[in-house]
Amino acid sequence: QKEVEQDPGPLSVPEGAIVSLNCTYSNSAFQYFMWYRQYSRKGPELLMYTYSSGNKEDGRFTAQVDKSSKYISLFIRDSQPSDSATYLCAMTFNTNAGKSTFGDGTTLTVKP
Amino acid sequence: ETGVTQTPRHLVMGMTNKKSLKCEQHLGHNAMYWYKQSAKKPLELMFVYSLEERVENNSVPSRFSPECPNSSHLFLHLHTLQPEDSALYLCASSPQGRAEAFFGQGTRLTVV
Repeated sequence: QKEVEQDPGPLSVPEGAIVSLNCTYSNSAFQYFMWYRQYSRKGPELLMYTYSSGNKEDGRFTAQVDKSSKYISLFIRDSQPSDSATYLCAMTFNTNAGKSTFGDGTTLTVKP
Repeated sequence: ETGVTQTPRHLVMGMTNKKSLKCEQHLGHNAMYWYKQSAKKPLELMFVYSLEERVENNSVPSRFSPECPNSSHLFLHLHTLQPEDSALYLCASSPQGRAEAFFGQGTRLTVV
């Protein structure tokens, strides 16, 4: 069983929709949770970073962590065609980026 | 522009060739990483350098040889690769004591 399971997708939504991207994990020691966005033929870029449980909002993006359920989510409000990308969740148990475990990624397409 | 620059962006090499991938970061970070990204698989950490010393090697075949001459530069030397080594090779860096990584654009490697 993988340490991090990410909803496989692909996901296709109309412009303006609310998108929910999800990951579950098995290691309760994970404390730091990241979401990366990766456009086609580009490297991943950090989108959201949260520590422990709770919500974090940045513009149209909200990252949610539920450590009791070992479940994290990324919500995108008012989705735009420019949000079309692959989204990777990642998590680690200490402040060592090299120890991060990544999900497989979910590819999102937002249709105009 | 992420502050992490990789060259070349694309590379095609034969199985008997020797080539090198280059990564440069001007973010003042003191940890650098090589990752391999294959289709439908999660990011695989290959090497970790912290303060220019290799601190982790996730059982990578010896046909991949990293070099970190200073805190801003990282190389991945390649020799006698196999077709299954074809992938996107990503360099990343992170500041000391932070869990998030900053990625370059990647080198798309094809072994023929």
